[in-house]
Amino acid sequence: DADVTQTPRNRITKTGKRIMLECSQTKGHDRMYWYRQDPGLGLRLIYYSFDVKDINKGEISDGYSVSRQAQAKFSLSLESAIPNQTALYFCATSDPHETQYFGPGTRLLVL
Amino acid sequence: QQQVKQSPQSLIVQKGGISIINCAYENTAFDYFPWYQQFPGKGPALLIAIRPDVSEKKEGRFTISFNKSAKQFSLHIMDSQPGDSATYFCAASMRGGTSYGKLTFGQGTILTVHP
Repeated sequence: DADVTQTPRNRITKTGKRIMLECSQTKGHDRMYWYRQDPGLGLRLIYYSFDVKDINKGEISDGYSVSRQAQAKFSLSLESAIPNQTALYFCATSDPHETQYFGPGTRLLVL
Repeated sequence: QQQVKQSPQSLIVQKGGISIINCAYENTAFDYFPWYQQFPGKGPALLIAIRPDVSEKKEGRFTISFNKSAKQFSLHIMDSQPGDSATYFCAASMRGGTSYGKLTFGQGTILTVHP
């Protein structure tokens, strides 16, 4: 089984809808991250969490919120989706040696 | 503000050739420089990483060259193979404080190796 899983893998939604992307990990890491990937822009950090009680904004947090329900679970919400949030979203965890382990990604299309 | 700049955006190499991808950074506090490899439909995965106490690190056909004074580092893929076709990201992070473990990524390079 995969160490970092994301659901759903693909999602189509309409402008104004609230959606949630979920991430679970079995690696036992405290640190978890949410990124979005856009062509030509690389991976940009949305939010990160160093433990269940510690959540921090990343480079592009506007329009997003997160919830760290447990050490293993970190969810990303789009409160009111807009078309420019169409992107590939990745969840990741990191070990004490700073290696990040990424999930398979969620492809989101906002119409 | 893009603190890590990566070039080229895309690269086409013949099988057996050398692939070179370059990155430049601005923040002198960065002290960890990994490269991630991403295949289509997959998440990125760590390929190789270097810390600034050495100027070069080699793992098989993959080598990182690091120039601290120029604030640049590069990935060299020797004897490039079609299976190396992927997107490559450089990244940087710093130890200590609230930024520990937080990676800043470059824009990515799409590498295509022709048979």
